[in-house]
Amino acid sequence: GAGVSQTPSNKVTEKGKYVELRCDPISGHTALYWYRQSLGQGPEFLIYFQGTGAADDSGLPNDRFFAVRPEGSVSTLKIQRTERGDSAVYLCASSLLSSGRGGNTGELFFGEGSRLTVL
Amino acid sequence: AQSVTQLGSHVSVSEGALVLLRCNYSSSVPPYLFWYVQYPNQGLQLLLKYTTGATLVKGINGFEAEFKKSETSFHLTKPSAHMSDAAEYFCAVSNAGRRALTFGSGTRLQVQP
Repeated sequence: GAGVSQTPSNKVTEKGKYVELRCDPISGHTALYWYRQSLGQGPEFLIYFQGTGAADDSGLPNDRFFAVRPEGSVSTLKIQRTERGDSAVYLCASSLLSSGRGGNTGELFFGEGSRLTVL
Repeated sequence: AQSVTQLGSHVSVSEGALVLLRCNYSSSVPPYLFWYVQYPNQGLQLLLKYTTGATLVKGINGFEAEFKKSETSFHLTKPSAHMSDAAEYFCAVSNAGRRALTFGSGTRLQVQP
């Protein structure tokens, strides 16, 4: 497809269960980001991949959260022992790396998100 | 460290009226600034961005924003609101040392007929 694709669009799980959320970025985009958006809040940064490696994982809230991008394309966000506080919309975005001073001067393209509800 | 403050979680204007959505940022280094819009049941999409150069930037759908370093602001404006502008708007900041965007908490714009 032409845009960032996220699956599932909705996931309901029980407290303590394991969850995987998938992101398929725009073809050719080397950078991939995961964000979490709680109700009434802006997106909160979780982790950023450049290629296969996590370039910045400072936003992961604790060691229950983990993300991989083994082939530099599709990424999976993994949440172990889910808690009710993990309920949110998980957003994925991708971008081309931009030249310049090294910052992210490029546009991020977002998917529609995966809504996670932990009962 | 960087942060964004959006004043007003909800803004309501009449159709045809001026839209002004406020954004103030904090950054210890020169910032890159963005406005994103989120329509109901859709993903975030970029409205406009400031990186370097001209401080008044124009975006899609008639929106524009001005980077004011002395005021650490990047307010979003549109001269005449349209019903289709009703959405949630997010201001975001990044810089040369940190690729990930930091978002504000958002402003929901309502447009009254």
